[in-house]
Amino acid sequence: EAGVAQSPRYKIIEKRQSVAFWCNPISGHATLYWYQQILGQGPKLLIQFQNNGVVDDSQLPKDRFSAERLKGVDSTLKIQPAKLEDSAVYLCASNPRAAPGYNSPLHFGNGTRLTVT
Amino acid sequence: DQQVKQNSPSLSVQEGRISILNCDYTNSMFDYFLWYKKYPAEGPTFLISISSIKDKNEDGRFTVFLNKSAKHLSLHIVPSQPGDSAVYFCAASVINDMRFGAGTRLTVKP
Repeated sequence: EAGVAQSPRYKIIEKRQSVAFWCNPISGHATLYWYQQILGQGPKLLIQFQNNGVVDDSQLPKDRFSAERLKGVDSTLKIQPAKLEDSAVYLCASNPRAAPGYNSPLHFGNGTRLTVT
Repeated sequence: DQQVKQNSPSLSVQEGRISILNCDYTNSMFDYFLWYKKYPAEGPTFLISISSIKDKNEDGRFTVFLNKSAKHLSLHIVPSQPGDSAVYFCAASVINDMRFGAGTRLTVKP
């Protein structure tokens, strides 16, 4: 099966600019996640969708970050305006079930590395 | 709040020897634990998992041990191979909430 697709792979922007990332999950996977991984830290959940509904966005900085998953398939994550501390790898993951379980781990894409200067 | 901790940022072992990666957690509600492996410029890939009702799960060269009373889990790789060199993330989950440790970089020397 094809994996989780993300684009772009790399993005460099200046602070206060806006940026958008795209994710196409594995076909048929109901649940989609966006994680932020800052250098030297583990992935941190930003938002979780089940189909096209938001399950958890408690850690999403909603003053500057937004995400949508139209039609319950692919998703976009936007940052507007970007800050220096947003420099990180943004990972998209998908899961066929509503929640991760013993035999249903998350499948990650290769991520988008964002550098804010 | 760091609910999942990997206190060793790096580990170096000789090829053929055992690699032991450790992870501690604070939330006793976690019911599912995983290890992910990450190569540079790639996303994490699932390696092995264990349910909280078990204390050991084995898959080939990889074994995960869970000590619930100590809130500690470990990943054993035997024998270690140069291709195992990567960053290993420990993760713990309850319902929809999955938390990751900061990772341990494993280097296996030929």
